[in-house]
Amino acid sequence: DTGVSQNPRHKITKRGQNVTFRCDPISEHNRLYWYRQTLGQGPEFLTYFQNEAQLEKSRLLSDRFSAERPKGSFSTLEIQRTEQGDSAMYLCASSPFRDEQYFGPGTRLTVT
Amino acid sequence: AQRVTQPEKLLSVFKGAPVELKCNYSYSGSPELFWYVQYSRQRLQLLLRHISRESIKGFTADLNKGETSFHLKKPFAQEEDSAMYYCALSGNSSASKIIFGSGTRLSIRP
Repeated sequence: DTGVSQNPRHKITKRGQNVTFRCDPISEHNRLYWYRQTLGQGPEFLTYFQNEAQLEKSRLLSDRFSAERPKGSFSTLEIQRTEQGDSAMYLCASSPFRDEQYFGPGTRLTVT
Repeated sequence: AQRVTQPEKLLSVFKGAPVELKCNYSYSGSPELFWYVQYSRQRLQLLLRHISRESIKGFTADLNKGETSFHLKKPFAQEEDSAMYYCALSGNSSASKIIFGSGTRLSIRP
């Protein structure tokens, strides 16, 4: 499968714990996006990378959230001190330049 | 404010009947409009975009700038059209982040 991959697919954690998700974009796509989707809503933009540079962050991305794309390839999204409100599907997408975004299958986070 | 509104959470039609999924948007400038679809147990994927003016799987969507609408239409619904449909827009900045509506679940009855 040469599409966008995300790991893990599911994560259950206790409130207060830290979690990290990984996204592997389509090879040679220089743009990478993170979105969050809660029940009954469409995906909401979190942050965007062009190569290794994080160029935009949504105000939804509180200080507990951090994203990296160290070598311009895969990306990680870390949530520190998780809260129940962080429970959601976290989606990653990649695109070549300003073009169609290809989405991964998502990581479903449940905070108990 | 940048916003996409899909007024219907659920739309149920009979197979062979026409389908129209409504979408209105709010954006200062000239956005690019999309329809994304998510079939059961599959990932979100692009269905069509207004600049390509294509018909995909029998679906079309016309951008009406006066009414700020981008409704999705299909003359004869098929059972395989059952899915979640999201209207979305991106601005004309280099970031091209996508703003999604809340989605409409389309259910085609046999």
